[in-house]
Amino acid sequence: QQQVKQSPQSLIVQKGGIPIINCAYENTAFDYFPWYQQFPGKGPALLIAIRPDVSEKKEGRFTISFNKSAKQFSLHIMDSQPGDSATYFCAASVGNQGGKLIFGQGTELSVKP
Amino acid sequence: KAGVTQTPRYLIKTRGQQVTLSCSPISGHRSVSWYQQTPGQGLQFLFEYFSETQRNKGNFPGRFSGRQFSNSRSEMNVSTLELGDSALYLCASSWAFTTGELFFGEGSRLTVL
Repeated sequence: QQQVKQSPQSLIVQKGGIPIINCAYENTAFDYFPWYQQFPGKGPALLIAIRPDVSEKKEGRFTISFNKSAKQFSLHIMDSQPGDSATYFCAASVGNQGGKLIFGQGTELSVKP
Repeated sequence: KAGVTQTPRYLIKTRGQQVTLSCSPISGHRSVSWYQQTPGQGLQFLFEYFSETQRNKGNFPGRFSGRQFSNSRSEMNVSTLELGDSALYLCASSWAFTTGELFFGEGSRLTVL
């Protein structure tokens, strides 16, 4: 019940395409859903996050869509660029355990020029 | 503002030895969490500290331990190293344990031979 399932494992898109990464969870106590971006040799960096009372959140070219009834959320990257090539992780946490993130397995994104 | 600093960045140990990793959080952040990252298991939560108290612990054996000092700096220790402990150990800080907005360091890469 503590798992967060992420798909696909890897994704290749052309520059300008819109990669979509999906995550699903079971624990209805989760109330914070961040996405992290990780480049090789670096630690994960917070990209964007959403709480269950919102169905969509946009920050620049990154959009989270959240479906509370289906217990699913996804990341869309608009107008993707080669510099977006990285590994993306979805995660979830419970309010008073903010330091304990449950991560998905990650999606390795490659954006071809 | 300086980010999360982890030392050492790389280290090689042999089975049976012990290792201590250090983390300096972002100035003003009082919560520190530790994660283990491996290709097979992904990002897994180890433990979380706030105001020198362990608030949460993941599903790791007792060989893994940590502590936090009054200046919020944290250390983690792994005793009796096993080959499977080879991983990237990531430290993350946040201003409070109620937020999932974590700022990660670049990690300490441990290789156990």
